[in-house]
Amino acid sequence: DTEVTQTPKHLVMGMTNKKSLKCEQHMGHRAMYWYKQKAKKPPELMFVYSYEKLSINESVPSRFSPECPNSSLLNLHLHALQPEDSALYLCASSQVQAGYNEQFFGPGTRLTVL
Amino acid sequence: GDSVTQMEGPVTLSEEACLTINCTYTATGYPSLFWYVQYPGEGLQLLLKATKADDKGSNKGFEATYRKETTSFHLEKGSVQVSDSAVYFCALTSGGSQGNLIFGKGTKLSVKP
Repeated sequence: DTEVTQTPKHLVMGMTNKKSLKCEQHMGHRAMYWYKQKAKKPPELMFVYSYEKLSINESVPSRFSPECPNSSLLNLHLHALQPEDSALYLCASSQVQAGYNEQFFGPGTRLTVL
Repeated sequence: GDSVTQMEGPVTLSEEACLTINCTYTATGYPSLFWYVQYPGEGLQLLLKATKADDKGSNKGFEATYRKETTSFHLEKGSVQVSDSAVYFCALTSGGSQGNLIFGKGTKLSVKP
């Protein structure tokens, strides 16, 4: 299984809602990533988990809260988002957090904040 | 800091034309280099990679060679198809980036029948 899955595929939420994005991989990878991608831009790194521990937080606002319950699962909890947070949210994984390891991306969750 | 510069599109070609998308990089140490492709409405797929100088990555008719002397990793394909229409991202990882991907801005390719 060489797939990263993400749910939901689409999400529409109001600014007062709380929602969560889910990412799963069964490749035995020990590094998992969240990216945000705006239209016509490359992905921007948000968070990195390495061996289920938060390794990198790229100064992301606290309204985004990541969680890594186990080595296969990565969540992104959303609360009090702003319309400018509307974007494609991509999850990725790699064997470990090292440069020579390619990252495998999921299909993304397209988030719209009203 | 590490960076990737790739030609900005959009690039429009006719089917069976030759493709070259230029990519150059700046990095500390010896980066690994990647090309990712993003089809409309989808996530990123790894197209090919090279981890050391003179390596050639290839997949689905696409090729790119890691050129240390020119710090380049140009993407080439001899005959494009309509199904190759997508956005192509050049990227690198290095010790300086803690193993994280540094992306170019992306090049949109449209192939007309």
